[in-house]
Amino acid sequence: QVQLQESGPGLVKPSETLSLICAVSGYSITSGHFWGWIRQPPGRGLEWIGTFSHSENIFYNPSLKSRLTISADTSKNQFSLRLSSVTAADTAVYYCARHWDKPGMVNGFDYWGQGTPVTVSS
Amino acid sequence: VLTQSPATLSLSPGERATLSCRASQSVDIYVAWYQQKPGQPPRLLIYDASNRATGIPARFSGSGSGTEFTLTISSLEAEDFAVYYCQQRKYWPPLTFGGGTKVEIK
Repeated sequence: QVQLQESGPGLVKPSETLSLICAVSGYSITSGHFWGWIRQPPGRGLEWIGTFSHSENIFYNPSLKSRLTISADTSKNQFSLRLSSVTAADTAVYYCARHWDKPGMVNGFDYWGQGTPVTVSS
Repeated sequence: VLTQSPATLSLSPGERATLSCRASQSVDIYVAWYQQKPGQPPRLLIYDASNRATGIPARFSGSGSGTEFTLTISSLEAEDFAVYYCQQRKYWPPLTFGGGTKVEIK
């Protein structure tokens, strides 16, 4: 069974850097699929942040690209997110999830972590 | 850009729900649908417009192509009252989601 678990600080000060890790179990992140970050501000909809692919390509949301770094530690089967210069607008629940983009495959975010809430406040 | 309508749908258990997702340009069939309940992550229902994900009941169906997509719940059950999102993967990055439709009990 594929499982994803986000971890990181729940409170970050404005202008500082948010760092989150997604630990994956039950499936190797280098075996296939894409591994993405999605966030959801309180009471609002979903926003895709970025994706790490099994072939180690990285895709960023252009709206966040200048502040964003996504990387992976394949030895630990986990991937991470770093978002710099945070403001209150970055307050959200942050999810990690698996997805695909290939004909004949399950092309959606099919496994999700439970989400970790992050508040940006001094 | 994906636009979902209506924003809120008020229905009774047993009724049919029809949710719409409109794309600003053709995304072929590359649309997925998700259900989200409070305090939970989204759950994948439908991918590539009409394919049910594993374990999804047959009362959920998806249709459409190009710019117009529909999620239909044939007969609402108590556990179906939730928020539903569509998402496209034709043009990415970025992957984008619609704004959501809330299905509430009338």
